[in-house]
Amino acid sequence: DAGVIQSPRHEVTEMGQEVTLRCKPISGHNSLFWYRQTMMRGLELLIYFNNNVPIDDSGMPEDRFSAKMPNASFSTLKIQPSEPRDSAVYFCASSLFSNQPQHFGDGTRLSIL
Amino acid sequence: KNEVEQSPQNLTAQEGEFITINCSYSVGISALHWLQQHPGGGIVSLFMLSSGKKKHGRLIATINIQEKHSSLHITASHPRDSAVYICAVRAITQGGSEKLVFGKGTKLTVNP
Repeated sequence: DAGVIQSPRHEVTEMGQEVTLRCKPISGHNSLFWYRQTMMRGLELLIYFNNNVPIDDSGMPEDRFSAKMPNASFSTLKIQPSEPRDSAVYFCASSLFSNQPQHFGDGTRLSIL
Repeated sequence: KNEVEQSPQNLTAQEGEFITINCSYSVGISALHWLQQHPGGGIVSLFMLSSGKKKHGRLIATINIQEKHSSLHITASHPRDSAVYICAVRAITQGGSEKLVFGKGTKLTVNP
């Protein structure tokens, strides 16, 4: 099993640019989660999907953030326009069902200059 | 006050010591997770529990629902156990839905 695959691993870009983070969940998992981790705030849930449908996006910071899951094997988290305060590590996780243990990807380390 | 509090924030131990990390929460929950984040950044789910105790190798997790408290124990600690251990609860909101709320983590360093 390949595990949860995130890309890119690292992203450095200038403020104002659009950033797209990608995630491939474990095959057969019905739930997908996007998290953000910073030194100040720790891990925060941004949004999660069940069967490709967004269930809870209350953690999405503002309208600059959007997430999609067009099919069961792919999700994106987009930031447009990006700001320096968006710099963080973004994790994607998937689980068989939303109340099951989650498997995390290796994260994307995002730096906005 | 955070909904999930972990203690201690930092812990240094000698190899072989028995280690306990604590997690207290102030909300109603349906489950509690213990996660391990290694220095390289990867996160691994160690346990998910809603009552009693679970054991996996040298790791033991317990939860007391009435006291809203969970502990993670590591027996015969080893330098490779050095990591940040994060407690997360599946909190039940007023609307009846659930959300995952994380503690700030406990950084464990085990010296040889």
